[in-house]
Amino acid sequence: NAGVMQNPRHLVRRRGQEARLRCSPMKGHSHVYWYRQLPEEGLKFMVYLQKENIIDESGMPKERFSAEFPKEGPSILRIQQVVRGDSAAYFCASSPSGEGYTFGSGTRLTVV
Amino acid sequence: AQSVSQHNHHVILSEAASLELGCNYSYGGTVNLFWYVQYPGQHLQLLLKYFSGDPLVKGIKGFEAEFIKSKFSFNLRKPSVQWSDTAEYFCAVNARRDDKIIFGKGTRLHILP
Repeated sequence: NAGVMQNPRHLVRRRGQEARLRCSPMKGHSHVYWYRQLPEEGLKFMVYLQKENIIDESGMPKERFSAEFPKEGPSILRIQQVVRGDSAAYFCASSPSGEGYTFGSGTRLTVV
Repeated sequence: AQSVSQHNHHVILSEAASLELGCNYSYGGTVNLFWYVQYPGQHLQLLLKYFSGDPLVKGIKGFEAEFIKSKFSFNLRKPSVQWSDTAEYFCAVNARRDDKIIFGKGTRLHILP
């Protein structure tokens, strides 16, 4: 049973480009969560999705950020027009029922 | 709103020393509690969790945590640390009505060989 798969592991984007981060949850898990990790700040919740639904996006910046979890395929975190401040590690987690996560290895986004 | 406070940002210990990392949460209702560990360059792994029952929870790698409801605390302990325990440790909480897990800012543990 493969764990939570995130790709790419490392992503470099120039300012103004778009970043797409992918997350495939564990088999049988229907809940997906995205977190951002900045040095000295811990993990900040961004968004919680179930298949085809956004359940809680209270941690998402109001502009440039969006997330989806389609019926088929991975969950996508999309950042448009990236800025240097978007540089961070982005972690995806999944769970079968909302109690206790399994984390992916993360995507380290660097904006140059 | 829920919040999690970890008292120590950095802890340095020698091998074989005992460890206790403090964690307090703020939430009035029933909660689930977690400790995660992140080894250098790696993703978060679950050390242990508390949902209900015995407030003393045993986790992997010799770690344990005690839930003290009256103190809103869930401190992590290990009687004798090893160099390989060098990592960052995160306390986390979620409410059963709200699946989102809220994390503390983490404690960086450095074990001297």
